[in-house]
Amino acid sequence: DTGVSQNPRHKITKRGQNVTFRCDPISEHNRLYWYRQTLGQGPEFLTYFQNEAQLEKSRLLSDRFSAERPKGSFSTLEIQRTEQGDSAMYLCASSPQGREDQPQHFGDGTRLSIL
Amino acid sequence: DAKTTQPNSMESNEEEPVHLPCNHSTISGTDYIHWYRQLPSQGPEYVIHGLTSNVNNRMASLAIAEDRKSSTLILHRATLRDAAVYYCIRGPVSSGSARQLTFGSGTQLTVLP
Repeated sequence: DTGVSQNPRHKITKRGQNVTFRCDPISEHNRLYWYRQTLGQGPEFLTYFQNEAQLEKSRLLSDRFSAERPKGSFSTLEIQRTEQGDSAMYLCASSPQGREDQPQHFGDGTRLSIL
Repeated sequence: DAKTTQPNSMESNEEEPVHLPCNHSTISGTDYIHWYRQLPSQGPEYVIHGLTSNVNNRMASLAIAEDRKSSTLILHRATLRDAAVYYCIRGPVSSGSARQLTFGSGTQLTVLP
């Protein structure tokens, strides 16, 4: 178990640029989640994949946000035309299929700073 | 509403037990109680979860009230490495097909040497 890996750990970009983050879940986990965390707050759910299917995306913050998991393994989260308010920590988590109470395993996140 | 109520902050002395309370008065019969913690500059880490009975694992114990409206996370012997934000979460909450975790602001635990 090598854990959930997220890259890059930090991203600094100018307002208006597009950014993409990558998440590699634990290899046998078919469920994958993206969360966003702003300073002083707990993580906020964004979207969910089961294998390659994105089963929940209504909580994505705007149409500038999109996520993919093309082969049911790694996932990417893209933000287009970034804004100041997008500055946050973006967290990925994964869990195995099975009981609903399976714990989620989190990566250490990608911290996005918009200049 | 997946709200839980926790104190904003608590302090403990090193090597002493810590009892972190959580209120979840509107919990449903099928909601689990999960605890995660988050160390600085890291993602949340699973600690423990339970439904009705008290639970123990290598990290902590979870004591659940008989009416399930409150619970307590117990760290038996706090170390400096236990300093973190502790989140009490009921659910997971269903949103479509997702079973996401709904985090509050948590309790910031400070461990004093």
